[in-house]
Amino acid sequence: GAVVSQHPSWVICKSGTSVKIECRSLDFQATTMFWYRQFPKQSLMLMATSNEGSKATYEQGVEKDKFLINHASLTLSTLTVTSAHPEDSSFYICSAILPGTGAYNEQFFGPGTRLTVL
Amino acid sequence: GESVGLHLPTLSVQEGDNSIINCAYSNSASDYFIWYKQESGKGPQFIIDIRSNMDKRQGQRVTVLLNKTVKHLSLQIAATQPGDSAVYFCAETFRGSARQLTFGSGTQLTVLP
Repeated sequence: GAVVSQHPSWVICKSGTSVKIECRSLDFQATTMFWYRQFPKQSLMLMATSNEGSKATYEQGVEKDKFLINHASLTLSTLTVTSAHPEDSSFYICSAILPGTGAYNEQFFGPGTRLTVL
Repeated sequence: GESVGLHLPTLSVQEGDNSIINCAYSNSASDYFIWYKQESGKGPQFIIDIRSNMDKRQGQRVTVLLNKTVKHLSLQIAATQPGDSAVYFCAETFRGSARQLTFGSGTQLTVLP
């Protein structure tokens, strides 16, 4: 089956530093990936849509200068949290669309990255 | 539409009983619905999906029911097992959304021995 990985699985950083999270589709090429954020006991909230070779599309309320997304290849999208603050502490999850699945494209999710900002 | 989860509803069932998890979706234009299972500290895992031209779909031990009239979705798990303990989310999407998913608030299922 289609596998999506994320690295790192968890990260602890100091306030003010930047953190990069990688999302990889391991056995398929994904032109579209999504980034979600999930706070404890809450649902997944879509942050942005990442399209290979073009700029990401951010959801309302998500600061594009703070959450930098780069989708430079068909198997890798990165999310960089710049100048992280404690309120950015969350579980970040990516997903990738498996191409060729028709109008009902199936999304496969990564295992998530737990970010803790001290 | 947006889904904001301020709390997580809970459902406790005895092992071996059937579980029913409900979800109200928001967008009448949604044409594809998916149920996901999320275990603690992990990403969502696909369980079953249903298209808007159907009202019922069955998988192994799971059944999804769709009522478009009242915008309601349910997930039935037969003979619930301890390994079914997790948070369950419904998600909706529609063709014009670039297949972005909108997640429901989720339900914490706990299976009691």
